[in-house]
Amino acid sequence: GAVVSQHPSWVICKSGTSVKIECRSLDFQATTMFWYRQFPKQSLMLMATSNEGSKATYEQGVEKDKFLINHASLTLSTLTVTSAHPEDSSFYICSAPGGGNGYTFGSGTRLTVV
Amino acid sequence: DAKTTQPTSMDCAEGRAANLPCNHSTISGNEYVYWYRQIHSQGPQYIIHGLKNNETNEMASLIITEDRKSSTLILPHATLRDTAVYYCIVRVANTNAGKSTFGDGTTLTVKP
Repeated sequence: GAVVSQHPSWVICKSGTSVKIECRSLDFQATTMFWYRQFPKQSLMLMATSNEGSKATYEQGVEKDKFLINHASLTLSTLTVTSAHPEDSSFYICSAPGGGNGYTFGSGTRLTVV
Repeated sequence: DAKTTQPTSMDCAEGRAANLPCNHSTISGNEYVYWYRQIHSQGPQYIIHGLKNNETNEMASLIITEDRKSSTLILPHATLRDTAVYYCIVRVANTNAGKSTFGDGTTLTVKP
């Protein structure tokens, strides 16, 4: 079945630094990928839609300059959290349309900013 | 995407059937009902989906009412590993149709 690989699975960074999270579709091509954020005991909240070859579409309230998205190829999308602060600590999850069920999710990245 | 309503939490005894309800009264004719689950600190896992007919796979059964305004996910023999948050989502089936909107889901706790 379709597999979405997300790396790293967890990362700890210092406040003010930037962190890059990768999302790869392993056995299918994805012109679109979705990035979600999930705070403890809360549901997934869509942050942005990543589009191969064009600019990402951000949801209302999500800072474009802080969460940089690059969809470099048909199998890779990256999310860079720039100048991270403790309030950016969260669980970040990507998904891509693919596979018989329509959408496949990555395993998530736990970001802790100290 | 149509909004869904699920109970916040449910308990189930190990080995018994777990029945998780979902209300989606504003579902459109071209929207499917999808179920995912999320085990702690992992990405959501697909379980099953359907349009109007009942569906069954190796993981679960999905029962959709005739008016399509509600559905029930059935885990026939719950195990401890089925403890997770279960999300009911309604959206069009076209894989490029757009994002999925997650509600709060139901936290299912399977007890020994």
